[in-house]
Amino acid sequence: EDQVTQSPEALRLQEGESSSLNCSYTVSGLRGLFWYRQDPGKGPEFLFTLYSAGEEKEKERLKATLTKKESFLHITAPKPEDSATYLCAVLSTGNQFYFGTGTSLTVIP
Amino acid sequence: GAVVSQHPSRVICKSGTSVKIECRSLDFQATTMFWYRQFPKQSLMLMATSNEGSKATYEQGVEKDKFLINHASLTLSTLTVASAHPEDSSFYICSATTGNEKLFFGSGTQLSVL
Repeated sequence: EDQVTQSPEALRLQEGESSSLNCSYTVSGLRGLFWYRQDPGKGPEFLFTLYSAGEEKEKERLKATLTKKESFLHITAPKPEDSATYLCAVLSTGNQFYFGTGTSLTVIP
Repeated sequence: GAVVSQHPSRVICKSGTSVKIECRSLDFQATTMFWYRQFPKQSLMLMATSNEGSKATYEQGVEKDKFLINHASLTLSTLTVASAHPEDSSFYICSATTGNEKLFFGSGTQLSVL
């Protein structure tokens, strides 16, 4: 069964405490893996797309990596403004999107 | 970057009223648009997938007579909540894909039915 699983469900970090969010997927074929940030009461904001194993992308304190089974979103020295829910989605070769349930990140000053 | 515009951002209505939400792709042609519902502190729940010019495909458990979707053009899809009731109160989000492995979301609509 095609699915996407994110862990942990919630993560609390001290400001400056680096960590990683995980997105595991099982799909018949991967066309792309997407990371989004969602703030309360707003639509998800696009962060990254990764297409093949070994690929990495960076944006400010965020870095996304991809293997054949999972993706990690690394957050380096997070700040309180990084607090949000981070969503992972996978596009399969069957043109179906599958979403994870998100990781709620709280960064404490 | 690609922008998806969703209106209105907030609707408060009386029970029994029908509410229409618009989703527009502003700088690209969206071959497929998606509609989601999201409850507080929960993830997105896909409601339906719509392709331009054809009937929407609804997820299991979603009433197609309650949630009417029209994808009239490559840049516009609408979701109409027919005869809304308090249990329909939720955050509704649309997304659009270019068909080129890009997926962008609207800013969401908070529906409150009194």
